Amino acid sequence: EPEVTQTPSHQVTQMGQEVILRCVPISNHLYFYWYRQILGQKVEFLVSFYNNEISEKSEIFDDQFSVERPDGSNFTLKIRSTKLEDSAMYFCATTRDSQTREFFGPGTRLTVL
Amino acid sequence: AQTVTQSQPEMSVQEAETVTLSCTYDTSESDYYLFWYKQPPSRQMILVIRQEAYKQQNATENRFSVNFQKAAKSFSLKISDSQLGDAAMYFCAYRSIYSGAGSYQLTFGKGTKLSVIP
Repeated sequence: EPEVTQTPSHQVTQMGQEVILRCVPISNHLYFYWYRQILGQKVEFLVSFYNNEISEKSEIFDDQFSVERPDGSNFTLKIRSTKLEDSAMYFCATTRDSQTREFFGPGTRLTVL
Repeated sequence: AQTVTQSQPEMSVQEAETVTLSCTYDTSESDYYLFWYKQPPSRQMILVIRQEAYKQQNATENRFSVNFQKAAKSFSLKISDSQLGDAAMYFCAYRSIYSGAGSYQLTFGKGTKLSVIP
């Protein structure tokens, strides 16, 4: 079965630092998503990306966050100045179209100290 | 906006027994998808089962089946012959079929933690 990969698996950073989380989608998928899960809580939608632009974003996705697909393969989530409350598991997910299921990556655990 | 509610924060079941996890949702849409995801301690998101709202037949996947009641907006998951490996967090999720924005994101419930007793 095809899979979505994410790097790193675990990132530890100091508050105020910038982090970039990376995702490699499945090759023929067109829709990309980032979700966040704070420990012990539900999975929350952050942003969706289609046709090289953001198609929708949640209220969590403020000016500290950005996404891009710089080289046509990697899909990245950047947090410009991390806060303690950004500590969470970040999942990348991709779909081919509106009819097919999402494929989730294994997640990146971000710890902000 | 759609909402998903899982009213059972924790459930337990004896090994080999059957358990049902509840989920209700709110939407004004007539066509949509519903999902159950399993999240073991590794925190990986594993798709358990998917239901299309326009299909009346309840989806089944081996020991997993759903009871989809569209009018009641209810979508419960039944796990038969429970195994130790079924112990995990289970999330119910909703997804629209149509999107003018080109986004088909999932809306999740808060989850139910399932324990399996040997």
